[in-house]
Amino acid sequence: DAGVIQSPRHEVTEMGQEVTLRCKPISGHDYLFWYRQTMMRGLELLIYFNNNVPIDDSGMPEDRFSAKMPNASFSTLKIQPSEPRDSAVYFCASSHTTVGMETQYFGPGTRLLVL
Amino acid sequence: GQQLNQSPQSMFIQEGEDVSMNCTSSSIFNTWLWYKQDPGEGPVLLIALYKAGELTSNGRLTAQFGITRKDSFLNISASIPSDVGIYFCAGRSRGAGSYQLTFGKGTKLSVIP
Repeated sequence: DAGVIQSPRHEVTEMGQEVTLRCKPISGHDYLFWYRQTMMRGLELLIYFNNNVPIDDSGMPEDRFSAKMPNASFSTLKIQPSEPRDSAVYFCASSHTTVGMETQYFGPGTRLLVL
Repeated sequence: GQQLNQSPQSMFIQEGEDVSMNCTSSSIFNTWLWYKQDPGEGPVLLIALYKAGELTSNGRLTAQFGITRKDSFLNISASIPSDVGIYFCAGRSRGAGSYQLTFGKGTKLSVIP
């Protein structure tokens, strides 16, 4: 299995621009999670989906952030407009109920820098 | 919200030494997990613990789920250079429909050859 795939791996953009991060979960997994990692706050859950449906988005920092999962093999996290404080590493993770959905498999992350 | 206190924040050890790190919480968790993150990569699951008192090994790694459900530790025996990285604990508490994991801030391990 290829594991969780994220793109792009690195993104540099200017304040105010729209940023779209992409994730392909492990095939067959029914849970998908978006996390943000910073030095100050560590790993924070932003939102998670079950069977393509958003279940808990309480971690989404504000309305500038949105996430979608149009099908079982693809999800996006969008920031519009982006701000310098959004600079972080964004991880996507997936899991499957049958093996314990706490056992989450992470992608390599997207390193976002907003200038 | 829930918080996990992970210690130590960082440690430098000689190759071959044993390592111990732990996580404590003010809240009860019913699942504990330990992850390792290599530079430039995402966290990789090392060990999952589901029952209070459970002791689980994965090669040179051993982790335990504390009896009080408020702590967990991870031991690495006979460290080698590839053990370098950041180790995170994570916990999940029982909640209606909630599958959120709370992560510790990590223990950065450096191994001196």
